[in-house]
Amino acid sequence: EVQLVESGGGLVPPGGSLRLSCAASQFTFKNYEMHWVRQAPGKGLEWISYISTGGETVYYADSVKGRFTISRDNAKNSMYLQMTSLRADDTALYFCARLGYKNNFDFWGQGTLVTVSS
Amino acid sequence: NLSLTQPHSVSESLGKTVTISCIRSSGSIDSSYVQWYQQRPGSFPTTVIYENNQRPSGVPPRFSGSVDSSSNSASLIISGLKTEDEADYYCQSYDTTSHWVFGGGTKLTVL
Repeated sequence: EVQLVESGGGLVPPGGSLRLSCAASQFTFKNYEMHWVRQAPGKGLEWISYISTGGETVYYADSVKGRFTISRDNAKNSMYLQMTSLRADDTALYFCARLGYKNNFDFWGQGTLVTVSS
Repeated sequence: NLSLTQPHSVSESLGKTVTISCIRSSGSIDSSYVQWYQQRPGSFPTTVIYENNQRPSGVPPRFSGSVDSSSNSASLIISGLKTEDEADYYCQSYDTTSHWVFGGGTKLTVL
């Protein structure tokens, strides 16, 4: 069964940095486009970043552009999200998600919680 | 920027049919596929409809999707409501500027 496992979340002060990881298994990671999606407490889903199969193409939501950097290491079956200049409104559960061949996010991790607070 | 507008909440009785709408703010609803996700409390989302009206394996035929060009909207229709359908539902689509976009989500209550 496809598995996506996020890690790296935690409590960080405003202005701080954090690096999230997403470890993929049970599928050919290098063949799939990947995303980060977040969900603030009690709020809806917000797409925040995309990376192509080889990592050459990346996109960001306006809310994180210039502060977050997505990357991947296909040799390690892993994707990352480097987050800097964190703000209180970045507090959320961060999911990694696989974009399937049917235009949907077909597999999701359980999420890793990021809390930005002093 | 693209936005997808959903009702904040809907409620309907057990066994009845409910429709959740998703209105696209700009560009044609036909320009990109619409997906629908179900999210139960404390869990990650799962796909109930992809590519406007397709059901993944394992999703019962009680779930269906449609798009309407005249209202520039998509709809998720759930018939024969069961208590297990109580969840949050999100539509999702795409455009070249905003990229992947989710609707605000609709909380479904089964009475």
